[in-house]
Amino acid sequence: QVQLQESGPGLVRPSETLSLTCTVSGGFISTYYWTWIRQPPGKGLEWIGSIHYTGSADSNPSLKSRATTLIDRSRNQFFLKLTSVTAADTAVYYCARLSVSRENSAYVLGFFDIWGQGTTITVSS
Amino acid sequence: EIVLTQSPGTLSLSPGERATLSCRASQNVDFNYLAWYQHKPGQAPRLLIDGASDRATGVPGRFSGSGSGTDFTLTISRLEPEDFAVYYCQQYGNSLYTFGQGTKLEMK
Repeated sequence: QVQLQESGPGLVRPSETLSLTCTVSGGFISTYYWTWIRQPPGKGLEWIGSIHYTGSADSNPSLKSRATTLIDRSRNQFFLKLTSVTAADTAVYYCARLSVSRENSAYVLGFFDIWGQGTTITVSS
Repeated sequence: EIVLTQSPGTLSLSPGERATLSCRASQNVDFNYLAWYQHKPGQAPRLLIDGASDRATGVPGRFSGSGSGTDFTLTISRLEPEDFAVYYCQQYGNSLYTFGQGTKLEMK
């Protein structure tokens, strides 16, 4: 049974870079897309970005290129780096597996079939 | 970006009752690619429905999804105590995935 576990610093100072890790256990990271999603306090869920095991990635334009998703197949982990953080980046961050329903050279369409429990990140000085 | 609006914001019902949750999209959801998730505090969100009406593996038969185009519904036929949670819809007909703001299902 595949399980996901997020890990991160808990507290990040404004203007710094947030680095998160998602460890995949019970299965291999290959052959799937992997995703970061967040939920600010009192707000809804927001898709941050997804990455294929080959390294092909896409992210939410609303983050204005601040988000980068990386993958390390040898360690069965993938990562999120979010630069120039502000208080608005305070959220619970989830990693999830994307189950693909349809894809071509232009897009990947899928839903999230396995999630981690989330890690709380606070941006504060 | 497709905006998903869920209603009601909070639904107060008793075990054994029927729950009907709505998710309305600001534009057509291609291929009816609409998913529903259940989220309990401190737990990982759980996939319930994909493709608007396909139950995920292990999801009880009391959960059903319906709808097409811009209007979708999650129905829980007879509520069990463990069903009280927050429910989110998500569209993936567009590669800019978006979620609804959630419906909190609370015990009356």
